[in-house]
Amino acid sequence: EVQLVESGGGLIQPGGSLRLSCAASGFIISSNYMSWVRQAPGKGLEWVSIIYSGGSTYYADFVEGRFTISRDNSKNIVYLQMHSLRAEDTALYYCARVSSISGAVTTYYFDYWGQGTLVTVSS
Amino acid sequence: DIQMTQSPPSLSASVGDRVTITCRAGQNIKKYLNWYQHKPGKAPKLLIYAASSLQSGVPSRFSGSGSGTDFTLTISSLQPEDFATYYCQETYSPRALTFGGGTKVEIK
Repeated sequence: EVQLVESGGGLIQPGGSLRLSCAASGFIISSNYMSWVRQAPGKGLEWVSIIYSGGSTYYADFVEGRFTISRDNSKNIVYLQMHSLRAEDTALYYCARVSSISGAVTTYYFDYWGQGTLVTVSS
Repeated sequence: DIQMTQSPPSLSASVGDRVTITCRAGQNIKKYLNWYQHKPGKAPKLLIYAASSLQSGVPSRFSGSGSGTDFTLTISSLQPEDFATYYCQETYSPRALTFGGGTKVEIK
C-alpha cells in the first residue's frame, strides 16, 4: 500500500528555517517524480516544488531560491528545506507522488498525497 | 507560468443535481489537465487525469472534457459525499504544475 507521511512542521519565527520530511512506503521514491504542494489558511492549493526521478528539481516562482527539495533514496524520504521563511509561507504542506503515462507525449498527475504538515511562520 | 482560472469560485447545489465546473488555461495546454477533490482535513484526491481519463476507483458520475484552453468537470448526479472543493491542475510543463483557484461545492 502506498503511503506518504509528512513531518517537520511547526511554529517558526520569520527569517527562520525548517526542514520538512515526507516518508514514503509501498513504492520507491527514486523511480517517481515527487512534489510538494501547500495550502495557506483559507486559500487554495499551490504547487511548490518537484524532484524528477533523475534528480532535476524545479520550484514555483514565489520560492525565490529559499527552498530546496531533495531525497534520501536509502531512507525513501523526500525533504523540503526551507530558509528565510515569511509569514506568507504559513500553510499546510503536502507531499505527493507524481505518476505518469507515456504516449505520444507524457502526461503527469498526483495520484497519492500525504495528510500534510502545518508550518506557521509568526513572531 | 500558465494561469488557470476556475469558475464559479463556489456554487450551491442539491443532491441529485448535475454540476459543471469550468477551468480555463492561459494558453493551449492540449489535454494536460487534471481534476482533484479536496475535503477539509483530508488529502486531495485525484479524480480525472489527462482531461478525461477517470482515475481508478472514482465513481463514474464524475467526468471530464475539453482540450486546448477550456475544460469541464461534470458531476452527473451530486451525492452527499461530493460536497467539497474541486481544483484543476495543468501539467503542460512538469516544471511548474499550476492549480486553479478552486470551486467550492456547497449544499443548497
